[in-house]
Amino acid sequence: GAVVSQHPSRVICKSGTSVKIECRSLDFQATTMFWYRQFPKQSLMLMATSNEGSKATYEQGVEKDKFLINHASLTLSTLTVTSAHPEDSSFYICSASAGGLEQYFGPGTRLTVT
Amino acid sequence: AQSVTQPDIHITVSEGASLELRCNYSYGATPYLFWYVQSPGQGLQLLLKYFSGDTLVQGIKGFEAEFKRSQSSFNLRKPSVHWSDAAEYFCAVGPGVTFGTGTKLQVIP
Repeated sequence: GAVVSQHPSRVICKSGTSVKIECRSLDFQATTMFWYRQFPKQSLMLMATSNEGSKATYEQGVEKDKFLINHASLTLSTLTVTSAHPEDSSFYICSASAGGLEQYFGPGTRLTVT
Repeated sequence: AQSVTQPDIHITVSEGASLELRCNYSYGATPYLFWYVQSPGQGLQLLLKYFSGDTLVQGIKGFEAEFKRSQSSFNLRKPSVHWSDAAEYFCAVGPGVTFGTGTKLQVIP
């Protein structure tokens, strides 16, 4: 149980375009979802926290107009990277929580902006 | 503010040898502590967690960790390492999870 999926697993896009990443909790209802970013050989940095039906709470330094997060249902959250640039290239990981302290992580999405 | 320090960036051990990965945390109250493992290009898998109670926590894949409040530590241990344990290991403290910088484990024959 407690499986989280992400789609796509890998995406390459051109600079200036937008990319949407989906995060789904497959077998539980996720009241809270988290989006992380991981640079090569570095740790995970929390970008934002979203509760179903509410606006996401962004961490300091994360541009909310650039990284649009939607958590429209208890099983789906999306992260849209708008007007992507090469510096947005990274590994994006989502996690989901059913209300407790434990987070269940997705497999990640590798974004490359050319 | 909470923080996590993993002093060892990279550790190499021989297969069959014992392993200890260090983790020190800073948190104002009783922390919630986690260890995760990440294989290359993959997401994170929870190895074990400590919320309260017994300070020696057993996890999956033969791992254990001990919470030592006096030392603000939560070190991960395994008595005998397998080649498949080679991965990146992250310690984390919550609530509002903050991750350490990770320790990359290399296992040699």
